[in-house]
Formats: sequence, structure tokens, C-alpha cells
Amino acid sequence: GESVGLHLPTLSVQEGDNSIINCAYSNSASDYFIWYKQESGKGPQFIIDIRSNMDKRQGQRVTVLLNKTVKHLSLQIAATQPGDSAVYFCAFGGFKTIFGAGTRLFVKA
Amino acid sequence: GAVVSQHPSWVICKSGTSVKIECRSLDFQATTMFWYRQFPKQSLMLMATSNEGSKATYEQGVEKDKFLINHASLTLSTLTVTSAHPEDSSFYICSAPARGGFTDTQYFGPGTRLTVL
Repeated sequence: GESVGLHLPTLSVQEGDNSIINCAYSNSASDYFIWYKQESGKGPQFIIDIRSNMDKRQGQRVTVLLNKTVKHLSLQIAATQPGDSAVYFCAFGGFKTIFGAGTRLFVKA
Repeated sequence: GAVVSQHPSWVICKSGTSVKIECRSLDFQATTMFWYRQFPKQSLMLMATSNEGSKATYEQGVEKDKFLINHASLTLSTLTVTSAHPEDSSFYICSAPARGGFTDTQYFGPGTRLTVL
């Protein structure tokens, strides 16, 4: 079956710095990957997605990079703010959405 | 954007009782909804797919007789945890694709915290 994993379980960054959250995935036929943000006690919130025919996609302060050769996905957050503190999940999309293990991001003021 | 609500937001029950959790799509219709369970400091684990007008499909290892799912309308799915035990204590989250099709973005509910005493 599909699995989606993460390199770093916890990431601590200084406010204003850029954050990079990584995700590795195993063999997959999926063509759709998503990043979600989950704050404590809340449901996941969609951040950005990317399809397998793309290498990069940008949103507001966020960029997702996809390297299909090494099966690696990353989320870059520019000028990280205290409000970005949360757990971030990469997910493997399709009819069902399967979640990776998550990375907790701490933003130090 | 699409909004998914859940009720209740938290519930405490005694061991052996049953608890019903509702998931509603507020401004769109969903022929399919999904139920997840999340234990503390862990990821979301897909439990089952709720299908309007037909039986739910369960992921491997999820007991269908314990987690009853009913998708009564295009905007409502319910999850009933039957004969709940302390190990069922968890954060239950539902989701729905906004357009109800393949690779549509999933919109998640706020979750329901279940504590079984």
C-alpha cells in the first residue's frame, strides 16, 4: 500500500526565517500531493497541492516542490510567522487522502 | 470556501455506551464523505468511506460493527461508536470532497474529541 513519511518530526525556526518541511513517499501511482496544516484541536486545513506533472507550485508565502525521481516532496514557508506554528502533513491524494506522519513547526519570536 | 461541520465538538461517555458523531457539509453536497481517527501526536488514519445511499466501505482493520456509518443525505454522514471503551478515546475527523469526484480537494471538519471513561 501507499505510505507517506517525513524526515523531521519537529522543526524549530526563528520568526522571519524560511521553513522547509520535507516528506518522502514510497512507490505510488498517485498524481496528486497535498500539504495540510493542523492547529491544536482542529481539523486539517488545506495549504497547497501539486500534481505529478509539475515540479513546483507557489502560493502565498508557500511553495511546494516535487522530486519524482527520489520521491520527495517539500513545503517551503517564507518569512515564517508565529501563526504558522502547527503540525504540517503531506498527503497522498486521489479518491482517498492518505496522510503522512506530520512535522511540528515551532516558530520562535 | 466549502465548510464542513461536526457535532458535537467534544463528548465524554461511560464505557459500554454508544456515541453518535455528525458530519455535515454546509454549503455543498457530498455523495462521499470520509472518517478519520487521530490519536495524540499521531497522524490521521482513514477509517472508512461513507457513501450516500449505500453501505460504507471500511479500511483494513477497522471493525464495521463497532463503527457504524450512515450517510442519510447528501449533506449528512454519521459515525456511531458502539459499546465504546477507553481505547476508542480519540479525535474523530470527517472530510468531504467539494465536488464529490476524484482528486478533489478534501475539506475537513473541526473534529470531535471523544473521551471514554
